[in-house]
Amino acid sequence: AQSVTQLGSHVSVSEGALVLLRCNYSSSVPPYLFWYVQYPNQGLQLLLKYTTGATLVKGINGFEAEFKKSETSFHLTKPSAHMSDAAEYFCAVRMDTGRRALTFGSGTRLQVQP
Amino acid sequence: GAGVSQTPSNKVTEKGKYVELRCDPISGHTALYWYRQSLGQGPEFLIYFQGTGAADDSGLPNDRFFAVRPEGSVSTLKIQRTERGDSAVYLCASSLTFERTDTQYFGPGTRLTVL
Repeated sequence: AQSVTQLGSHVSVSEGALVLLRCNYSSSVPPYLFWYVQYPNQGLQLLLKYTTGATLVKGINGFEAEFKKSETSFHLTKPSAHMSDAAEYFCAVRMDTGRRALTFGSGTRLQVQP
Repeated sequence: GAGVSQTPSNKVTEKGKYVELRCDPISGHTALYWYRQSLGQGPEFLIYFQGTGAADDSGLPNDRFFAVRPEGSVSTLKIQRTERGDSAVYLCASSLTFERTDTQYFGPGTRLTVL
C-alpha cells in the first residue's frame, strides 16, 4: 500500500524566510509526486509535479521540490516567504500502476508572520 | 476557461436523508474523480470515471454511496440514508486523459453537513 507522510501539521515562518515543507512517501514502484495548495474556501491548485526526468522541479509562485529516491522524499521549498503563501499544502503520490487515484498526505498549514 | 464546478457549495441535511452532489468537469476532460476531505485531513479517493464507466470505485466506503456519469461529462455523487459521519467536503477533479502523469484539476468542493 502506498502512503504519504507530511511532517508538521503547522509550520510558521517569518516573511522573507525560507519555506521548507516536508513530504515522505512509501512505494514499491516508481511514484509520480505532486504538491497542491489550498487557500481558504477554494479548491486544490497544483503547485508542481514530478513524473520523470529532472529531479528538481520548479512550480508556480517560486516554489520548487526535489525528488530524492534514496530518501523517498519530495520536500517543497521556497527561498523567501510572502504573506500570500499562507495556505494549506498537500503532498500527493500516484504509483506507476493501474490505479489513477492520488493518495494525499494530511496537509501542512503554513503561517507567514509579518 | 471555466474550471471544475460543483453544486451546491453547501448542503445541510438530516440524518437518514438522501443527497445528490453534482460535478461539472472541465470541458473535454475524459477522466473524473471524486474525493472526500474530512476536517484536518487530506482528500481521500472515492471513485474514478473513464468516460461513462466507473473504472475504480474501491474508495467508496459502503453501498450507501453511488456515483454516475451517464453522458461522460457531468457526474453526480449520491448518498443514501446519510449519517453524521458522512459530513465532509466532497471534492471533484477532472483530467484531460487517463494518463498517470496528467494533472487533476479540482473544483471548490461541496461541504456536506449531516445533522
